[in-house]
Amino acid sequence: TQLLEQSPQFLSIQEGENLTVYCNSSSVFSSLQWYRQEPGEGPVLLVTVVTGGEVKKLKRLTFQFGDARKDSSLHITAAQPGDTGLYLCAGQSYYGNNRLAFGKGNQVVVIP
Amino acid sequence: GAVVSQHPSWVICKSGTSVKIECRSLDFQATTMFWYRQFPKQSLMLMATSNEGSKATYEQGVEKDKFLINHASLTLSTLTVTSAHPEDSSFYICSADAGTAHQETQYFGPGTRLLVL
Repeated sequence: TQLLEQSPQFLSIQEGENLTVYCNSSSVFSSLQWYRQEPGEGPVLLVTVVTGGEVKKLKRLTFQFGDARKDSSLHITAAQPGDTGLYLCAGQSYYGNNRLAFGKGNQVVVIP
Repeated sequence: GAVVSQHPSWVICKSGTSVKIECRSLDFQATTMFWYRQFPKQSLMLMATSNEGSKATYEQGVEKDKFLINHASLTLSTLTVTSAHPEDSSFYICSADAGTAHQETQYFGPGTRLLVL
């Protein structure tokens, strides 16, 4: 079983502050994806990282894939209330199937 | 990006009835779709993998006779909750595989809220 552990599970910050959430595993992944889910809606794909050490930016969001392809981080600069949501990371294994292993998510609340 | 729709978005039914949920990939073809269940404040729980033209693969603990999956075309998969009971009330989300052989990319539908009375 490939377990993805996300931390912290819950984070509440003031608007304008920065935050970082983490996604860690003992398994190596061929790629890793981050999604954001708002209440009552399906997850929306934010980014896919493929190369170890890769950094991708999406406006104020910065995603990094660990060198060993076992972990990832998401950093949000100057958080806005619209950033509130459940951030899910999902990793694809090397074992030939196309299933993703999901973490339990980082619940982020940005207070205006 | 790829768009996945679900219908209905919410449904209320009486205990003992069956409910069908549709998942469609609108602008791409998907040989593989996935069905998830999500309880409040929890992550996604994979129920089954739906493969076009073949039987679905169910995760351990998911009753295949309870949750019937049909993937008759490259753009449509259906999940039927048979003889629904209150404990089946949940948020059901489907996703469709729009990736390549080397990189999996799942796009999610907006979800279906099921309430069984």
